[in-house]
Amino acid sequence: GQQLNQSPQSMFIQEGEDVSMNCTSSSIFNTWLWYKQEPGEGPVLLIALYKAGELTSNGRLTAQFGITRKDSFLNISASIPSDVGIYFCAGQLTSGTYKYIFGTGTRLKVLA
Amino acid sequence: SAVISQKPSRDICQRGTSLTIQCQVDSQVTMMFWYRQQPGQSLTLIATANQGSEATYESGFVIDKFPISRPNLTFSTLTVSNMSPEDSSIYLCSVTGEYWAEQYFGPGTRLTVT
Repeated sequence: GQQLNQSPQSMFIQEGEDVSMNCTSSSIFNTWLWYKQEPGEGPVLLIALYKAGELTSNGRLTAQFGITRKDSFLNISASIPSDVGIYFCAGQLTSGTYKYIFGTGTRLKVLA
Repeated sequence: SAVISQKPSRDICQRGTSLTIQCQVDSQVTMMFWYRQQPGQSLTLIATANQGSEATYESGFVIDKFPISRPNLTFSTLTVSNMSPEDSSIYLCSVTGEYWAEQYFGPGTRLTVT
């Protein structure tokens, strides 16, 4: 099925560092969701974005809806070991269908 | 957000058999979905579970292989039929929340087919 390109694919960072990841597509999206998935669990919704240019924070996490509506960004400030996991973006192509396309995922590992 | 549970949490099945996965939500929800996550991969939507009518399947997924039921607004089942090792995946149900654009996931069912 269709997928969004997410980068980086994986990253190792030192505790305390800031992290940036993004999701890009050639298609325009109406809504962006960002999730975190830990081993053995389902994805957990972190942030939802509803309009172009929107910047939304959830604690140390900040996400932005790209102004072209074709991309989105997630930043994690001052990373801690429990930030380890896989981060997925999800984009809604058509408003009202509530169907999402998921990104390929960014695997984050934090070195204490 | 709603509390979502899935049963079983994991199973090991023989090829050619079928497994039914249950998804239970602690409150009524409008939309329920079933996803597949193959090992080390992202999530792919299988179908939208419609209450009281046939599920709406995505391209590449068919009712004969993945029959879905949704008898009410809090419960749905997904059956993986005539399984092969390629069906080894995590199967996840999701529901829309108070803000319909948001989706919340259950813990998943980890299926291994031998």
